[in-house]
Amino acid sequence: DTGVSQDPRHKITKRGQNVTFRCDPISEHNRLYWYRQTLGQGPEFLTYFQNEAQLEKSRLLSDRFSAERPKGSFSTLEIQRTEQGDSAMYLCASSLGREFGEKLFFGSGTQLSVL
Amino acid sequence: QQQVKQSPQSLIVQKGGISIINCAYENTAFDYFPWYQQFPGKGPALLIAIRPDVSEKKEGRFTISFNKSAKQFSLHIMDSQPGDSATYFCAARQGTYKYIFGTGTRLKVLA
Repeated sequence: DTGVSQDPRHKITKRGQNVTFRCDPISEHNRLYWYRQTLGQGPEFLTYFQNEAQLEKSRLLSDRFSAERPKGSFSTLEIQRTEQGDSAMYLCASSLGREFGEKLFFGSGTQLSVL
Repeated sequence: QQQVKQSPQSLIVQKGGISIINCAYENTAFDYFPWYQQFPGKGPALLIAIRPDVSEKKEGRFTISFNKSAKQFSLHIMDSQPGDSATYFCAARQGTYKYIFGTGTRLKVLA
């Protein structure tokens, strides 16, 4: 168990560029989440995968955001045509999905800065 | 999305004191209430959690008190230590997987 790994840790991009983030969850975890966190705020739900199926995508996400989890393993989050408002910490979490006692294991996040 | 309101925004406590963080919610469909601790540069980590049919849960120095009728719950940190200095988030689960987080409380414990 090496924990949830996210890459890159930091990304600086110019407005209008596309960016892609990767998340490697804990290997036996079937649930995978993406959250966004801005300074001074709590994590905000973006999307959820049960194995390879994306079961929910937040209405806060525009069509510029897309996420995948091929074969129920790693996941990618892509943002197209980035805007300054996309600047945030993007957190990935995974879990085994117990009814009670569920523990989300978060990665250290990818800090995105859009100039 | 459904809100979870957290207070205070920041808290300063002397070493050995009790830290108390409060959360309130509106959606009675929430069925699981965890607390997460986050250190700078790290993702949140689960600290303790409670089900709504339990009024209190204690793990070491950390206690959750839950008031279902008032739709409020709180985290108590007994004998607070400088190593507890972090940001704490309450959360509530909606459905079987969606977690709604509070806005966080930045705790500083003075040595």
